[in-house]
This record gives sequence, C-alpha cells and structure tokens, in this order.
Amino acid sequence: AQTVTQSQPEMSVQEAETVTLSCTYDTSESDYYLFWYKQPPSRQMILVIRQEAYKQQNATENRFSVNFQKAAKSFSLKISDSQLGDAAMYFCAYRSALAGNQFYFGTGTSLTVIP
Amino acid sequence: DTGVSQDPRHKITKRGQNVTFRCDPISEHNRLYWYRQTLGQGPEFLTYFQNEAQLEKSRLLSDRFSAERPKGSFSTLEIQRTEQGDSAMYLCASSSLLVPSTDTQYFGPGTRLTVL
Repeated sequence: AQTVTQSQPEMSVQEAETVTLSCTYDTSESDYYLFWYKQPPSRQMILVIRQEAYKQQNATENRFSVNFQKAAKSFSLKISDSQLGDAAMYFCAYRSALAGNQFYFGTGTSLTVIP
Repeated sequence: DTGVSQDPRHKITKRGQNVTFRCDPISEHNRLYWYRQTLGQGPEFLTYFQNEAQLEKSRLLSDRFSAERPKGSFSTLEIQRTEQGDSAMYLCASSSLLVPSTDTQYFGPGTRLTVL
C-alpha cells in the first residue's frame, strides 16, 4: 500500500510570513493525484490544493502553492502571507489514478499562526 | 447545495451497543466514502460506494461494521457490538464521476463516536 509521510507534527508561522509544510510519499505508480486538505479545529476538512502527477507545472491557488518533485516523491505546500484563518491541521493525501479509489492520508501537520 | 452532511454529529454509547450513522452526500455526487479518524492521525479509508454498489472495503472494516447505500443517495454505517477501540471520528466524503478531474473528495463534518 502507498504511504504518505508528514514529518512535521507541528509548525508555526508569524502572520503575513511564509511557511512550507512537507510531505513525502511512497509509490511505484506513475499516475496519481496528490492533495492538501485543511482541517480547522472542530470543523470539516476542506480541499486546499491538488496536483496531477502527469503535470510538471506546480499547482497554485491564491496564497497556496505546491512544490511537486516527482522523482523525489515530495509534495510540499507553501502558504504565503499567512493569515490567522490558516491555523489548522493540514493533511497531505495520495490517490492512485489507476487502481481503486481510496485516499491515503498522512498523519497531519498542525499549523499555528502567531499574530 | 449545502455540501456533505452527517448525522448525528456526536454519539456516546456503551460498549456492546449498536450504532448507526448517516451521511448525505452532495446531491449530484455518485461516489461516497467512509473514513475513520482517530486523534492525531489522518483519516483511514473504510469503504467506498459508486452509486449503490459497494466497490471497495478496507481490511479495517471488520464484520461488526456494515455500510449501505440503498438508493445511491444517502449512506448508513452501522457498528454492531461496539468496542472502546471504535471510538473515533467517522468521516463521510463524496465525489462525482461525471465532472472532469473527479477525484476530489468533499468531506462532511464527521460523527464523533465515544464508546464508554
């Protein structure tokens, strides 16, 4: 089975600064999707950004961007101009494009934004 | 469309009791997923439906767990003879096969189960 590793259980960032959350994954497949989900305290999980493995261009969504390194199996999330509302648990997730439909999630990184 | 909804939001039960949770997906979504999330962990896949057909089941889904999606709309997850180890947040998600880039799953708020 695929594994997703988030090696930073906790991170903090000053408001308006930039922070990068790391994620690595293990797979033998060539076609897959990667996601970052945000889970605010006591609130539901929402999609932040997604990346198709066949695309070389890194995905961006406003203040959120990824650094996708396919050969290194790395998928980091950069949050620019951090806001208080960015404080949440962030989960990296993997889904195969070929076999099955389940997502594999990492253990999450808790992000604190310091005013 | 108000998104994925789950009911109840919280459930406290005694060990050995049966519990049932409901999930209502986004109306046009034909794929529905159940996950379990314990404290400090990411969600773990339990099972997946496409319309009314249950297409995948995790080995985590013991025979005490059963899920249904009778008309391809809402789904129920039942846990029989609950154990303390079943205490977790149970998340439901849905996605659409009919929309391009359809692999994005949209999550509900979850049902938090506490087994005493």
